[in-house]
Amino acid sequence: QLQESGPGLVKPSETLSLDCTVSGGSFSGFDWSWIRQPAGKPLEWIGRISTTGSSNYNPSLKSRVSMSIDTSKNQFSLRMSSVTAADTAVYYCARIGSFAPTFDIWGRGTLVTVSS
Amino acid sequence: EVVLTQSPGSLSLSPGERATLSCRASQSVNSNFIAWYQQKPGQAPRLLIFGASRRAIAIPDRFSGSGSGTDFTLSISRLEPEDFAVYYCQHYGSSPSFTFGPGTKVDIK
Repeated sequence: QLQESGPGLVKPSETLSLDCTVSGGSFSGFDWSWIRQPAGKPLEWIGRISTTGSSNYNPSLKSRVSMSIDTSKNQFSLRMSSVTAADTAVYYCARIGSFAPTFDIWGRGTLVTVSS
Repeated sequence: EVVLTQSPGSLSLSPGERATLSCRASQSVNSNFIAWYQQKPGQAPRLLIFGASRRAIAIPDRFSGSGSGTDFTLSISRLEPEDFAVYYCQHYGSSPSFTFGPGTKVDIK
């Protein structure tokens, strides 16, 4: 299971921080991702991190996004700086499958609203 | 970057009918890197198809995927009430990077 956690409300220009805790299965040996979805809109991939700490980001968000991982806690994190209302969305964490580059397990998602 | 276009944007069908959803890539892609997801309101997406045509674990055989090059199709042979949802295609590219299509909504006629 994957569980997102973090503030549901962030002020404009501040930094959004979310954690994803993985339980009930293997953590090492998989890559992990964040994906978001504004209300009524399609999915948008944010970035990916491996358990060695190697990461890649969506070029459109790269300047504002960083991801980190804590293998001792089976947890990975997202930080997005300088947020605006356009960053309001449901944020999902997901596992990247080991045999195909797909998102095979997802968290339930957490709504983050950017508003003063 | 590969851009995915899905058509139609929405589809109204009755239970028992066949659904055919299209995903077109802006350039020829490796079919191993095309996947399909189903998303119901208020839920996370669920992986249906990977490698363009292989069903994920526990996905009923009424779901099938096909295609190559730039054109890919998700077919649902006989719509069940629980199949009414939004469907997204997804591509994995170099860098690595992932892109999603805009989705096709399948609703009850």
